[in-house]
Amino acid sequence: SQQGEEDPQALSIQEGENATMNCSYKTSINNLQWYRQNSGRGLVHLILIRSNEREKHSGRLRVTLDTSKKSSSLLITASRAADTASYFCATDGRGSNYKLTFGKGTLLTVNP
Amino acid sequence: DAGVIQSPRHEVTEMGQEVTLRCKPISGHNSLFWYRQTMMRGLELLIYFNNNVPIDDSGMPEDRFSAKMPNASFSTLKIQPSEPRDSAVYFCASRRLGTGNQPQHFGDGTRLSIL
Repeated sequence: SQQGEEDPQALSIQEGENATMNCSYKTSINNLQWYRQNSGRGLVHLILIRSNEREKHSGRLRVTLDTSKKSSSLLITASRAADTASYFCATDGRGSNYKLTFGKGTLLTVNP
Repeated sequence: DAGVIQSPRHEVTEMGQEVTLRCKPISGHNSLFWYRQTMMRGLELLIYFNNNVPIDDSGMPEDRFSAKMPNASFSTLKIQPSEPRDSAVYFCASRRLGTGNQPQHFGDGTRLSIL
């Protein structure tokens, strides 16, 4: 079964607005990570949240984790055109020996 | 500090040909991953190595696919013979083991087209 399903599949906003992306997963995890992918490039790690954490901040990024609902959200505040990219959540399942399972991503478009 | 380096960046070849993709992980990273990305299936893990040893190759689709890591600074993914359905972007990623919860660092991928 697919671990890490992002929602929505695509999101289009204006510069300055906030963008919220959600991720749901199915099995117990050690941690959850968010990655970003610009067109034609590899994935870049943004932030990691451990299973015993509920919220984490990094610059304009805010990640929450609700293990009871098996879900996470990524909030990008004051978005910029340069934030246009695909965003993926990835889960590191318990007993997976650090193997990550990625969702299919949310394509975020920030219009100037 | 150099990132993960993949070559070639693009490969176009005819079906039935052998394809070899190459990856140089970040120096000091002892875990290496090969992924395949398509629109239909997203990002799929094919195989990963810890300390040059294959740990999990359950994602390798068929016997036509093979991967090696002869040393800590080099890995190859080979497809022989190639088929049109192998067309995808192939990514290599590396990370440091032993310190828990470390992020993976990705190369920019090889875009493979099999005609």
